[in-house]
Amino acid sequence: LAKTTQPISMDSYEGQEVNITCSHNNIATNDYITWYQQFPSQGPRFIIQGYKTKVTNEVASLFIPADRKSSTLSLPRVSLSDTAVYYCLVRTAGNKLTFGGGTRVLVKP
Amino acid sequence: NAGVMQNPRHLVRRRGQEARLRCSPMKGHSHVYWYRQLPEEGLKFMVYLQKENIIDESGMPKERFSAEFPKEGPSILRIQQVVRGDSAAYFCASSPSVRGVDEQYFGPGTRLTVT
Repeated sequence: LAKTTQPISMDSYEGQEVNITCSHNNIATNDYITWYQQFPSQGPRFIIQGYKTKVTNEVASLFIPADRKSSTLSLPRVSLSDTAVYYCLVRTAGNKLTFGGGTRVLVKP
Repeated sequence: NAGVMQNPRHLVRRRGQEARLRCSPMKGHSHVYWYRQLPEEGLKFMVYLQKENIIDESGMPKERFSAEFPKEGPSILRIQQVVRGDSAAYFCASSPSVRGVDEQYFGPGTRLTVT
């Protein structure tokens, strides 16, 4: 059964790099991979989006291997305010919009 | 440019009542998505609409749930005869086009509590 999966949680310390991998083995051929950040009691907020290889913006990088069956969100030098839940979003080959289960990132001082 | 607006932010209904959740997309966006988030769980796709059309409702429960996005006015998610299991946060998102998994802008959500 095709699934979009992420680690449930991840702890880190301020200033470290955090890498979160999402497995999406049934991703649609011609579709983007998008990552969102969600704080408690708020709607998800767009972080980054990519199709292949590497994408970088002012807050994160996204690494996508050639087979596109996974993607890794990289948050450089995290701070306490990066404590949140991070979700990947893909469209599967069956044309279904699917969020990963979310990764709860806790940044410690 | 105002973001995605949802109202009400909090809604309390008794079992058997109807719940109507509204979503106004960002200006210029003609695509609306609804998601449900149960307490302490992830986001689940429910329905995708364009103006006056339901494009994909594969995530909608077969009974009691319906959605619309009329030519004028907000998108509405309607839940009839609510049950306790409908208690959740309902998020609406909008995007300007349907370029694959387009960048979606989310509203603050409506938290539905069924007593």
